[in-house]
Amino acid sequence: QVQLVQSGAEVKEPGASVKVSCKASGYTLTSYYTHWVRQAPGQGLEWMGVIAPTTDTTKSAQKFQGRVTMTRDTSTSTVYMELSSLRSEDTAVYYCAREMRDTFYFDYWGQGTLVTVSS
Amino acid sequence: QSALTQPASVSGSPGQSITISCTGTSSDVGGYNRVSWYQQHPGKAPKLMIYHVSNRPSGVSNRFSGSKSGNTASLTISGLQAEDEADYYCNSYTSTSTYVFGTGTKVTVL
Repeated sequence: QVQLVQSGAEVKEPGASVKVSCKASGYTLTSYYTHWVRQAPGQGLEWMGVIAPTTDTTKSAQKFQGRVTMTRDTSTSTVYMELSSLRSEDTAVYYCAREMRDTFYFDYWGQGTLVTVSS
Repeated sequence: QSALTQPASVSGSPGQSITISCTGTSSDVGGYNRVSWYQQHPGKAPKLMIYHVSNRPSGVSNRFSGSKSGNTASLTISGLQAEDEADYYCNSYTSTSTYVFGTGTKVTVL
């Protein structure tokens, strides 16, 4: 069955970077885009960006440009999202979600990874 | 890109119907039939409920339906049940090839 399994919770100091992984199983990674969405405590969902399935092309929300890096390793069916220059406002649950090419919706989601930024 | 506008809360009694609106612009909701809706229970990942404005994925109850008029999309839940109590978010593709979520609506079953 389709699963997206994310890495565990992280605690980081302000100014540091965090790298969250999302391991896909039950489907071919190269047939799907992988999106990243975050949710601050008690807040709504916020789209961060997407990595294309075969070209490594990425697109991110303007708010995160220059701070977010998305990569993938097809040999392990794993996608990564790295966020740098962390500040307290980046404390959130980060989700990965898949989109079949050019369908424009997210049909399966990871379980979420809590990233806490605190000194 | 500003978040799409949703009412903060909507409530209804069991068996009733409720509608959640999602208002954007001609650069997102109004420009494309690429609106989706997600249900999120506390502490859980979002779940796809509607895609392409009005299509239901396999396994989603037919009590959930979607529509769009101009720059506003809507999600209707008919025959409201206790299990429908959750947060709901709309999402749209945009003219800059990005995506934007709605502000979210808390549905309460009275």
